[in-house]
Amino acid sequence: DTGVSQDPRHKITKRGQNVTFRCDPISEHNRLYWYRQTLGQGPEFLTYFQNEAQLEKSRLLSDRFSAERPKGSFSTLEIQRTEQGDSAMYLCASSTRQGNSGNTIYFGEGSWLTVV
Amino acid sequence: AQKVTQAQTEISVVEKEDVTLDCVYETRDTTYYLFWYKQPPSGELVFLIRRNSFDEQNEISGRYSWNFQKSTSSFNFTITASQVVDSAVYFCALSGLNYGGSQGNLIFGKGTKLSVKP
Repeated sequence: DTGVSQDPRHKITKRGQNVTFRCDPISEHNRLYWYRQTLGQGPEFLTYFQNEAQLEKSRLLSDRFSAERPKGSFSTLEIQRTEQGDSAMYLCASSTRQGNSGNTIYFGEGSWLTVV
Repeated sequence: AQKVTQAQTEISVVEKEDVTLDCVYETRDTTYYLFWYKQPPSGELVFLIRRNSFDEQNEISGRYSWNFQKSTSSFNFTITASQVVDSAVYFCALSGLNYGGSQGNLIFGKGTKLSVKP
């Protein structure tokens, strides 16, 4: 399978713990995105990388959230001191760079986080 | 500001019926892109179509068709002869370039949950 893959698919954690999600994009894609989706809502943009550079961060990304893409391949999204409000599905996506915003973004299956 | 509105929260149809999912968008961008994604219960967002703001031609792909009308800022999606496998949440999304929209920042609607009953 050569789609976007995410790990773990499901994570239950206690409030206050740290969690980390990993995303492996489609191999030839140099752009990688993180979105968050809560129940009954559409996905909301968190951040995106072009190669290893983090080019944009949403205001949704509080200082407890950090994302990295150290070698321009896979990415990690870490949430420190989790809160119940962090419970959501975290979606990773990737695309090629076509010099405009029309590049198609392909999504993974998401990582469900439940904070208890 | 950019915004996507999907006014239909849930739609239920019987198999073989045609169904149209509405999408209305707002943007100040002169160049923008519109998308439809399907999200089955597994959670993955499946890309269906991308349309740029300069191309108002309607598109048909099998049982799927899309009607883009810039005059009414709408990008509606019709499924002809619906099937049970079409049951999913469908999202309309907008990506702009000049105002507020960055490269890759998709603005999604809240989605329409389609249930197709046998």
